Amino acid sequence: GAGVSQSPSNKVTEKGKDVELRCDPISGHTALYWYRQSLGQGLEFLIYFQGNSAPDKSGLPSDRFSAERTGGSVSTLTIQRTQQEDSAVYLCASRKGGTAGFFFGQGTRLTVV
Amino acid sequence: DAKTTQPTSMDCAEGRAANLPCNHSTISGNEYVYWYRQIHSQGPQYIIHGLKNNETNEMASLIITEDRKSSTLILPHATLRDTAVYYCILLSNFGNEKLTFGTGTRLTIIP
Repeated sequence: GAGVSQSPSNKVTEKGKDVELRCDPISGHTALYWYRQSLGQGLEFLIYFQGNSAPDKSGLPSDRFSAERTGGSVSTLTIQRTQQEDSAVYLCASRKGGTAGFFFGQGTRLTVV
Repeated sequence: DAKTTQPTSMDCAEGRAANLPCNHSTISGNEYVYWYRQIHSQGPQYIIHGLKNNETNEMASLIITEDRKSSTLILPHATLRDTAVYYCILLSNFGNEKLTFGTGTRLTIIP
């Protein structure tokens, strides 16, 4: 596609439920990143995939969070047993590599009620 | 940790040039300066990047000092739609690192 696509754009879930957020990066981009942004806050790094290398999971806030990237393309961020503090906009970005810039999707707004 | 410092906020009159400074005194030789902006509730948008030479594109100009310890993003004719948070970020040319955002500069364009 022309840009990074995220789905759903909005998700409301009940506390304790699991959710899956999807990211389709720009075709050919080898690097994929997940960030989250709470209301009025900056971007918080979550996880980073680069090609076939092991992902950098250093930003995941707890073991309820996990992500995978299948076939070097689409990525899914899973949050298990959601809590109210998980409410935020979850942003995905992809990058071609080298000095190419990052390109962000429009995010998924997650609301845990 | 972000390796750049920016003013928290700035105002600029509509139609004027907006000059956003960024300090990156510990920049290393292989790090590029990137600028992004985030308009309310949207994903960050790439603006421009450079290594040591000044750069210009359809959105903005980037001026990097000779010692590369600071830079300035210039929006030549600011419009109300340029109101956003602007982030200055350093990235190496290895392409294998995460993008770490600081707090950025909240630019408000005044009518």
